[in-house]
Amino acid sequence: GAVVSQHPSWVICKSGTSVKIECRSLDFQATTMFWYRQFPKQSLMLMATSNEGSKATYEQGVEKDKFLINHASLTLSTLTVTSAHPEDSSFYICSAEDPSPGELFFGEGSRLTVL
Amino acid sequence: GNSVTQMEGPVTLSEEAFLTINCTYTATGYPSLFWYVQYPGEGLQLLLKATKADDKGSNKGFEATYRKETTSFHLEKGSVQVSDSAVYFCALRALGNQFYFGTGTSLTVIP
Repeated sequence: GAVVSQHPSWVICKSGTSVKIECRSLDFQATTMFWYRQFPKQSLMLMATSNEGSKATYEQGVEKDKFLINHASLTLSTLTVTSAHPEDSSFYICSAEDPSPGELFFGEGSRLTVL
Repeated sequence: GNSVTQMEGPVTLSEEAFLTINCTYTATGYPSLFWYVQYPGEGLQLLLKATKADDKGSNKGFEATYRKETTSFHLEKGSVQVSDSAVYFCALRALGNQFYFGTGTSLTVIP
């Protein structure tokens, strides 16, 4: 089946630095990708919808200047956590929809730890 | 708004036991409903889905029926195996194609 790959799978950074996470659809083109945040033992929280060639749509309560999303091509979306702080430590998961057969595929997730 | 509520875990069962994980939803319009499974160290994988009322999704011995009258999509399996140990997420797909997930239910099956 379709594969969605995230990189890096884990990252540790110092407080105040910025971290970029990539999400790639490997064998299909995705006009729309989604970014989620998963806290320990909690659900996936939809952060934003990333649309190729246009601005991302953020869910209520998600700071767009904090979590920068760029969907530069039909196979790549990036999430940049700017000026990261310890409270940003979390598991970030992306997903992309393969329009045929209209199924959503998930990346393996990226674990961010901010010291 | 859109939301999904599923039973809290963790759930521990013996092999060959019957499994039910409850899931209810609230949604605008008529969403599609899904169960995703997350095995240890892996990403989420689609387990089954149903796109309209009374549809039954099934896969790998798991089943769930889309019940509009009770706004539910409970996951069932007649005989669980150790390999079914994972976290199960109920989800709905809203009109704008966004997915909303429940909190996940961790299942451990012991031999």
